[in-house]
Amino acid sequence: ELKVEQNPLFLSMQEGKNYTIYCNYSTTSDRLYWYRQDPGKSLESLFVLLSNGAVKQEGRLMASLDTKARLSTLHITAAVHDLSATYFCAVDYRGGADGLTFGKGTHLIIQP
Amino acid sequence: NAGVTQTPKFQVLKTGQSMTLQCAQDMNHNSMYWYRQDPGMGLRLIYYSASEGTTDKGEVPNGYNVSRLNKREFSLRLESAAPSQTSVYFCASSGGAAPGGYTFGSGTRLTVV
Repeated sequence: ELKVEQNPLFLSMQEGKNYTIYCNYSTTSDRLYWYRQDPGKSLESLFVLLSNGAVKQEGRLMASLDTKARLSTLHITAAVHDLSATYFCAVDYRGGADGLTFGKGTHLIIQP
Repeated sequence: NAGVTQTPKFQVLKTGQSMTLQCAQDMNHNSMYWYRQDPGMGLRLIYYSASEGTTDKGEVPNGYNVSRLNKREFSLRLESAAPSQTSVYFCASSGGAAPGGYTFGSGTRLTVV
């Protein structure tokens, strides 16, 4: 059974600070996904990481993947209030035939 | 706009009532999925359909049935709703091998009283 664990589950931080969200998974996976969800909204795709060592960046967010450690990180640089949201990592394998397995999410609050 | 369309967006049911959640995609994806989202639990897979004509149970299938009507449509049915089924339901589709090919619908917020 594939398990995905995120930490922390809740994070309150100040604008301008840096922080990292961690995502561990239990089984060899093909792909690692990061999503953002705003309250009452659907999931917005942020990053898809396809191979060991993959690094992707968009604005103040950077995601990386270490398949040997079964670990992905989402790094936030110089946080701004607009990044307040819940962030999910998710994993699929077998080419996505069984869908995505999600972590429980990290509820991020960035205070001015 | 291309994407995944879910109906209804909101629904209140009484315990024991039945209803069907509808989902349709126009991206010619082979795979479709139903998830439920509960506070602090992330999204959990209820049922999925890897291709037209096939369906399989996910992590939390009890109390639900699904139908893959055709390649575009995948419905989720609650035969006898229970308060424990109060949740937000998301439908998604995927092109399978296409990286990053998961598209989510806007969700259905269901309350069972």
